[in-house]
Amino acid sequence: QVQLVESGGGVVQPGRSLRLSCATSGFSFNTYTMHWVRQAPGKGLEWVALISYDGSNKYYADSVKGRFTISRDNSNNTLYLQMNSLRSEDTAVYYCARVSVEQWQRLWFDYWGQGTLVTVSS
Amino acid sequence: DIVMTQSPDSLAVSLGERATFNCKSSQSVLSTSNNKNYLAWYQQKPGQPPKVLISWASTRVSGVPDRFSGSGSGTDFTLSITSLQAEDVAVYYCQQYYYTPITFGGGTKVEIK
Repeated sequence: QVQLVESGGGVVQPGRSLRLSCATSGFSFNTYTMHWVRQAPGKGLEWVALISYDGSNKYYADSVKGRFTISRDNSNNTLYLQMNSLRSEDTAVYYCARVSVEQWQRLWFDYWGQGTLVTVSS
Repeated sequence: DIVMTQSPDSLAVSLGERATFNCKSSQSVLSTSNNKNYLAWYQQKPGQPPKVLISWASTRVSGVPDRFSGSGSGTDFTLSITSLQAEDVAVYYCQQYYYTPITFGGGTKVEIK
């Protein structure tokens, strides 16, 4: 069955970096666009970034552009989010999510990981 | 960016009664090329990731109970739950996937009256 498992979250000081991973299994990872979505404590959902199935296209929310980098390793079925210059407002649960149809960049998300909590605090 | 506005923020409904809530987009999410509305609805329970209920504004995802239904077109959308069950207590989000950035509404919290 399809599984998405995030890791790499934790407590980090403002200005520091963190790298999140999303290990996937149960589907052809290299044919699906993947996204990161975050949720601040007690708040709603915020889209963060997407990467196309082949890694050729990447898009970011304005709030993270220039600080976060999305990438993928199709040989290891893993998605990444490199987060630099972290701010307190980046504190959130970060979810990786799969687009529902192969090769489409923007659709609904049919599978989500359980999320990993990133806390940015001094 | 497309702003998705959900109303109300919260809703208390008796068991077995109907719950209806709304989502409005700041621009149309109806594609003229395929006549589809690029809108989804999700349910999120505490401590869990969101779960998709409805795609293309009105198509129930496989396995979703038929008491959930979506309607609307263009900029105005509705999610209805007929005969609310205890397990339907959750926050419901709409999402547009027509434009980048993808955007979500702020959510509607459904509780039992």
